[in-house]
Amino acid sequence: ETGVTQSPTHLIKTRGQQVTLRCSSQSGHNTVSWYQQALGQGPQFIFQYYREEENGRGNFPPRFSGLQFPNYSSELNVNALELDDSALYLCASSPGPRGVDEQFFGPGTRLTVL
Amino acid sequence: AQSVTQPDIHITVSEGASLELRCNYSYGATPYLFWYVQSPGQGLQLLLKYFSGDTLVQGIKGFEAEFKRSQSSFNLRKPSVHWSDAAEYFCAVGPGSNAGNMLTFGGGTRLMVKP
Repeated sequence: ETGVTQSPTHLIKTRGQQVTLRCSSQSGHNTVSWYQQALGQGPQFIFQYYREEENGRGNFPPRFSGLQFPNYSSELNVNALELDDSALYLCASSPGPRGVDEQFFGPGTRLTVL
Repeated sequence: AQSVTQPDIHITVSEGASLELRCNYSYGATPYLFWYVQSPGQGLQLLLKYFSGDTLVQGIKGFEAEFKRSQSSFNLRKPSVHWSDAAEYFCAVGPGSNAGNMLTFGGGTRLMVKP
């Protein structure tokens, strides 16, 4: 069984650019959540997708957007990058969006904004 | 709004010593509670979770945690630490039941293990 994978591993962008991060869910999972983990902090919930629809959103501006595809893989898009967007971005998939559905995390994408 | 506090940013213990990592949460109802571990370059791995029932829960790698409603705490313990336990530990709270599984994390505790 393949776990959650993310690409790329590392990425360097400059302020004002746009970036797309990708996540491949674990087999059989229809829910994906994205988290931002700034250096030295805990992860913060960005949003969740369930069966291709946004199912919840944290306190992030609209320039953070996402997509979930029919195969349940997902993208996180960030427009107009700011220096504070530098962080580890974690994707987590789960078999559903219920409270009892365990989230399985990928290794993350390290984004550096210069 | 729910929140999670991990009062200890860094903890150093000797190999073989016992360990307790503290976690306090703020939530209106009974939340679902989790402990995750993150090693360098790795994603988060679930150690254990509490949904309901017995307030002492057992997890992987010899860890356990106790839910204390009166103290709004969910402390993680291990009787004998191994050098491989050195990592960052995160306590997290979920809204529970059918309210979704989005997690609110604490700031983390970095565990260092002395030989």
